[in-house]
Amino acid sequence: SQTIHQWPATLVQPVGSPLSLECTVEGTSNPNLYWYRQAAGRGLQLLFYSVGIGQISSEVPQNLSASRPQDRQFILSSKKLLLSDSGFYLCAWSTHRGYNSPLHFGNGTRLTVT
Amino acid sequence: DAKTTQPPSMDCAEGRAANLPCNHSTISGNEYVYWYRQIHSQGPQYIIHGLKNNETNEMASLIITEDRKSSTLILPHATLRDTAVYYCIVRVSRDDKIIFGKGTRLHILP
Repeated sequence: SQTIHQWPATLVQPVGSPLSLECTVEGTSNPNLYWYRQAAGRGLQLLFYSVGIGQISSEVPQNLSASRPQDRQFILSSKKLLLSDSGFYLCAWSTHRGYNSPLHFGNGTRLTVT
Repeated sequence: DAKTTQPPSMDCAEGRAANLPCNHSTISGNEYVYWYRQIHSQGPQYIIHGLKNNETNEMASLIITEDRKSSTLILPHATLRDTAVYYCIVRVSRDDKIIFGKGTRLHILP
């Protein structure tokens, strides 16, 4: 069966520090991968999605970036965090070009920038 | 922008059926309707999806109107654990981008 791993579960980082959040998927190949962010009390905002290695689509201009160095690995990064980067970050996957397949979410990383 | 419209909040008595509506009047072609829910501080959970026919699984039923412009998610016997934000999403064919709207906050009342 397929599983998605996301870590760390919680993170407290000072303003201006770098960020690296990692997400890996097991049990499937060539998945679509997604990063979402949820600010406190707000909805889910799509940040990045990827349909293959090295293929990243960015939805919201910001100081975050994403990379997909391996088929089932998706990394969210920042060189310098802002206070506004605080939030709940969720990684998700779905079958490649699987319009008839659901998104599967990880447990999320709660980031607090201080 | 999300292609769906949902009421911001709803109440339902425990033990009763919860009927959550969703309008997707611009739906077209082979676009699927998906429902997810998010319990506080957790990642969204897939509930059900459908294309044209009504669907049922162990969690819920999905009723899609004949013109496919709206749908209703039915939780047959709501419990307090069903309190969550429910998202209705149209999965656009040939587009891998998946956008969530604001959803419906469902309160189950004891």
